[in-house]
Amino acid sequence: SAVISQKPSRDICQRGTSLTIQCQVDSQVTMMFWYRQQPGQSLTLIATANQGSEATYESGFVIDKFPISRPNLTFSTLTVSNMSPEDSSIYLCSVELAGSLSSYNEQFFGPGTRLTVL
Amino acid sequence: KQEVTQIPAALSVPEGENLVLNCSFTDSAIYNLQWFRQDPGKGLTSLLLIQSSQREQTSGRLNASLDKSSGRSTLYIAASQPGDSATYLCAAGSYGQNFVFGPGTRLSVLP
Repeated sequence: SAVISQKPSRDICQRGTSLTIQCQVDSQVTMMFWYRQQPGQSLTLIATANQGSEATYESGFVIDKFPISRPNLTFSTLTVSNMSPEDSSIYLCSVELAGSLSSYNEQFFGPGTRLTVL
Repeated sequence: KQEVTQIPAALSVPEGENLVLNCSFTDSAIYNLQWFRQDPGKGLTSLLLIQSSQREQTSGRLNASLDKSSGRSTLYIAASQPGDSATYLCAAGSYGQNFVFGPGTRLSVLP
């Protein structure tokens, strides 16, 4: 398994500002992911954070709004830029670990960052 | 493109009941199916992972089954407790796609 921490755990921000969320994993992993969970909704994948290259964004998400860094195999950041109240969500990072006997991967999640934009 | 649905959307049961949560997926070419638990405002906790070659997995009072041919997975919770109250999500890992999550089932176990 993997132990994942996120900072901050929650924040209240003003419209137009930016917030950077940090994700730290206790082991080296290839694949890290950032998700958004809007109130009462399921998870939506924002992007896959690739070490040594640019993140891969899903449809509807752009780098200017959600810049991502992945400086090494245990750490990533997601920035929510120029925030509006619609960005109020829980933001979660996750990692995918390969099974010991096969390539069937299991996902583990951090505790999430609860963001409220006023 | 994989789509995952879950029924019921919400469930309320008295303590001690056995219950079943359902998860359906449209593309049977999955390599695994994972069940998670999420407490309000928190992250996801992995409960069970079923590989595509398996039919079920068990952990304590939880049992998850997988039927790839019918595109279904079920999570069985035995002797439910108030502490089981949470949202339960399933996610399908498909070849060439990222994990796709269902909308979740919100479970309330009443004392």
